[in-house]
Order: sequence, then C-alpha cells, then structure tokens
Amino acid sequence: DAKTTQPNSMESNEEEPVHLPCNHSTISGTDYIHWYRQLPSQGPEYVIHGLTSNVNNRMASLAIAEDRKSSTLILHRATLRDAAVYYCILRGAGGSEKLVFGKGMKLTVNP
Amino acid sequence: EPEVTQTPSHQVTQMGQEVILRCVPISNHLYFYWYRQILGQKVEFLVSFYNNEISEKSEIFDDQFSVERPDGSNFTLKIRSTKLEDSAMYFCASSDRSGTSYEQYFGPGTRLTVT
Repeated sequence: DAKTTQPNSMESNEEEPVHLPCNHSTISGTDYIHWYRQLPSQGPEYVIHGLTSNVNNRMASLAIAEDRKSSTLILHRATLRDAAVYYCILRGAGGSEKLVFGKGMKLTVNP
Repeated sequence: EPEVTQTPSHQVTQMGQEVILRCVPISNHLYFYWYRQILGQKVEFLVSFYNNEISEKSEIFDDQFSVERPDGSNFTLKIRSTKLEDSAMYFCASSDRSGTSYEQYFGPGTRLTVT
C-alpha cells in the first residue's frame, strides 16, 4: 500500500471546525483514501473514505485534492469526544484486505 | 447500532499458557479480522478470515496462533503458548463485504497481559 504522511499532532478548540491533512503523493489511480480514528483505550473506528470526489457523512467530510496527492478530513464542529488519533490509510484495489495503520495524528480538542 | 463485541476485556495469563480471545462480529458480516496493538505502538494486522478459511495472515501470525469460527456467531483467536511479547491489545474487526472500498468495524479490544 502507498504511504501517507500526517502531522504528528494538532490542536483545536471545541465547537470550531478542524481540518486534518494527509499527504499521499504516491497514490495510484485505484487507491481508496480511508480515515479511521482511535479514541483513548478503544478500538479503531471507521470515519470516512473516498476515491476521487469529496464525501460527506454524519461524522465528517473528506476533501480530496484534484490530483489526489493529498486529502483533508474535516470535522465541522469539534467536540471533546473527537479527541483521538486519526489515521489516513490508502487501500489499493485488488490488493490486500488488511488495513495498514501508520502512527496517525493525535488530535487534541481544547474546551 | 450493531457493534463488534469482545470478551474478556482483560486477560492475564502466565507465559506458556494457552489463551482464547473471543469476538462476536456484526451479525450479517462475513469477513473477519484480528489486529493487535502493543502498548505505544501501531495497530498491526494479524489475520483475515472468510468462508471458514484464513484468507491472509501476517508474519506475526505464526504457528502459535490460530483462528476459528466455532459457531454462527463467535470468532476466536487462540494463542497456544503465550510469550511475554504477546502482551498487547487485540482487536477483532468485521466487514460485510470484501474489497478496498469497504470499511471494517472494530471491537473494543481485549487487553492481554502475559506475566
């Protein structure tokens, strides 16, 4: 699976939007961009995924750059419960079923 | 909302003992996974399972590990002879479809402590 690069950490304030970046310059045309998060002492949790178009769901939005070399997970209104480690993961079509987790990015939400 | 459950939440065992970690995947899911996370480290894939067969396994998943779906609801991970380095959080996950455009749903994990 192609590699992703995320900041080690970010801080945000409660009730404000937060944009979590991910770079994936070696992405291939069939790679899906997945985001998972892991709250403290819990298992990973699926957040959102996309291929080319921007995606919205009840948890977040995913903005994908036109060249697909980067993406941004958008939490529209951060809450304390959003404090977690966020993982940006590429999954290649026809490849393995496994998720390959990196170190992720720790999001701190200040009250 | 359906969820993956795991038991026990914490298992303490002595080195050399066998342990079985249990998972109940989401009921209509067909694809099952085990991952582990050593304290302070990345989440690592162990094995995937479909149609009563292992479909993929990692280098970590050696002969000491086995998986089984003993009935229609449970999915188990057995470690035959535990080592100190097996101490970790073990996460079960399930998915209703295969493929890289589908998500996996994780359980809360079992903390395994080997003494």
